[in-house]
Amino acid sequence: AQSVTQLDSQVPVFEEAPVELRCNYSSSVSVYLFWYVQYPNQGLQLLLKYLSGSTLVESINGFEAEFNKSQTSFHLRKPSVHISDTAEYFCAVKETSYDKVIFGPGTSLSVIP
Amino acid sequence: GAGVSQSPSNKVTEKGKDVELRCDPISGHTALYWYRQSLGQGLEFLIYFQGNSAPDKSGLPSDRFSAERTGGSVSTLTIQRTQQEDSAVYLCASSLEVARAEAFFGQGTRLTVV
Repeated sequence: AQSVTQLDSQVPVFEEAPVELRCNYSSSVSVYLFWYVQYPNQGLQLLLKYLSGSTLVESINGFEAEFNKSQTSFHLRKPSVHISDTAEYFCAVKETSYDKVIFGPGTSLSVIP
Repeated sequence: GAGVSQSPSNKVTEKGKDVELRCDPISGHTALYWYRQSLGQGLEFLIYFQGNSAPDKSGLPSDRFSAERTGGSVSTLTIQRTQQEDSAVYLCASSLEVARAEAFFGQGTRLTVV
């Protein structure tokens, strides 16, 4: 069965510092991988996704994630965070042959001025 | 509609009462999901509808929980004999019936059982 692990439940980081939010998954088949973001008092929205091809994917607001098949990881990174990046970040996995999306427990990113 | 719509946005109910939560997916989206978000618990998968196939109910926590989807569109999640531990935000999402498709989420229904 699929599962998603996000080891860090809370990540405080100073503004303009780099950040990495870790995500590991377990699955015996091919998967698609997603990062969703939930800003305070808002709904979940897609941040970026890996479907195929290049293992490095980017979002429009400077985040990137790299799919590492051997380590079954999909860590999210940003070289310089802003106050507006404060949010809950969820990693998710979907088997390529089945639509059910499984989410990790989430990581709360707090950017400190 | 333009997005996934959920109603009500907030619901306060007394312990033991039944509640119904509604989800209107994006038009044309044949896949529909229900998740539960509890404080500090992340998103818990509840149930998944895909087109005309039998729903995947593997995430429903007890037989007090049920869901249906009428006409392949609107879905209703019903919780019978509510308990305090049912208090959470219930999220609905929909997507195209394509494995690569992303899920679009509604704003959720915040359920409080008192």
